[in-house]
Amino acid sequence: KAGVTQTPRYLIKTRGQQVTLSCSPISGHRSVSWYQQTPGQGLQFLFEYFSETQRNKGNFPGRFSGRQFSNSRSEMNVSTLELGDSALYLCASSLAPLAGSNEQFFGPGTRLTVL
Amino acid sequence: AQRVTQPEKLLSVFKGAPVELKCNYSYSGSPELFWYVQYSRQRLQLLLRHISRESIKGFTADLNKGETSFHLKKPFAQEEDSAMYYCASQGSARQLTFGSGTQLTVLP
Repeated sequence: KAGVTQTPRYLIKTRGQQVTLSCSPISGHRSVSWYQQTPGQGLQFLFEYFSETQRNKGNFPGRFSGRQFSNSRSEMNVSTLELGDSALYLCASSLAPLAGSNEQFFGPGTRLTVL
Repeated sequence: AQRVTQPEKLLSVFKGAPVELKCNYSYSGSPELFWYVQYSRQRLQLLLRHISRESIKGFTADLNKGETSFHLKKPFAQEEDSAMYYCASQGSARQLTFGSGTQLTVLP
């Protein structure tokens, strides 16, 4: 069974631009969560999607948005990029909405650098 | 708000020695607690969760509600245990809150 895939793996953008990252969950998984990982703040939850609906959102500004398609693939978008948005963005999928019994499987991440 | 604290950024032990990675959480309810591990050049993966009460790769973790701790322990560390370990909690909001991580190095 293929794991969670994320594209692109690396991305360089400049301040003010926008970016879209993509995540394909494990086949059969319907929940997708996104995380931002930085050396200063560590791993922080961005949002979770299940059945094309955002079910949960972390404390990030409205510049960060996402969506999920009917095939469970998800995209996240960051508009008006700032230097501080440079980070590793991780996607994780699980069979059902986040709960203690549902294991999340993480992708390799997309490394975003904002210049 | 939930908070997870891992006081040690770096931890080194010798092979065969016991190892304990500390984790404390702050949450007024009954959270779900997890340990995740990231080996070099690999993806973040679940190591164990307290609801399963299982031992994985010789690691165990006991939830102590009185001390709000969920320390990860292994009696005899192996070199292949060298990795980054993250403690995480999940409350009623269901989102995972991660600690800052502990880099474990097991020396030969």
